Amino acid sequence: DAKTTQPPSMDCAEGRAANLPCNHSTISGNEYVYWYRQIHSQGPQYIIHGLKNNETNEMASLIITEDRKSSTLILPHATLRDTAVYYCIVRTHSGGGADGLTFGKGTHLIIQP
Amino acid sequence: ETGVTQSPTHLIKTRGQQVTLRCSSQSGHNTVSWYQQALGQGPQFIFQYYREEENGRGNFPPRFSGLQFPNYSSELNVNALELDDSALYLCASSFPGAYNEQFFGPGTRLTVL
Repeated sequence: DAKTTQPPSMDCAEGRAANLPCNHSTISGNEYVYWYRQIHSQGPQYIIHGLKNNETNEMASLIITEDRKSSTLILPHATLRDTAVYYCIVRTHSGGGADGLTFGKGTHLIIQP
Repeated sequence: ETGVTQSPTHLIKTRGQQVTLRCSSQSGHNTVSWYQQALGQGPQFIFQYYREEENGRGNFPPRFSGLQFPNYSSELNVNALELDDSALYLCASSFPGAYNEQFFGPGTRLTVL
């Protein structure tokens, strides 16, 4: 799986949009971009994933550049409960998923009141 | 809440001992993955079980072993504990499909003295 690069930490004001960047310049054509987050003392939680089109769900939006070498996760109206470590992961959709998820160190997002 | 449960919550062992950690997967999920998360790091993939067989393995020595039972619950066994085995151990359940989203439990905190 391709490697990703994320800033170690970011701050965002409560109520503002939080934009978390991720670089994945070595991504291959069949690799998807996934985002998970981990709130303190909990297991990681799936947020969203995409291949090349922008995606939106009830939690967030994912914007992938046209060359697919970077992406941005957007939390449209951040709340204090969004304070967490956010992981950007790229991987293929293997049939049995036998390769697990490869987590980096992620971005520690701190929402300020 | 993901429906994935782990026991025990916390555990203290001494170097050289053996430990067994348990995981109950979310209803309908037949795949369980185990991860090790050291302090300040992202989770690292240990192995995955699918239909009671090991289906993939990360870079962990053979003293890390596992089992999956007919009800899809799972155990992680670690023999000859070392100080560096101190970590949060996470299990995640999933159902093989198009994107194999993984649902994580809250983890077991293992301390080796």
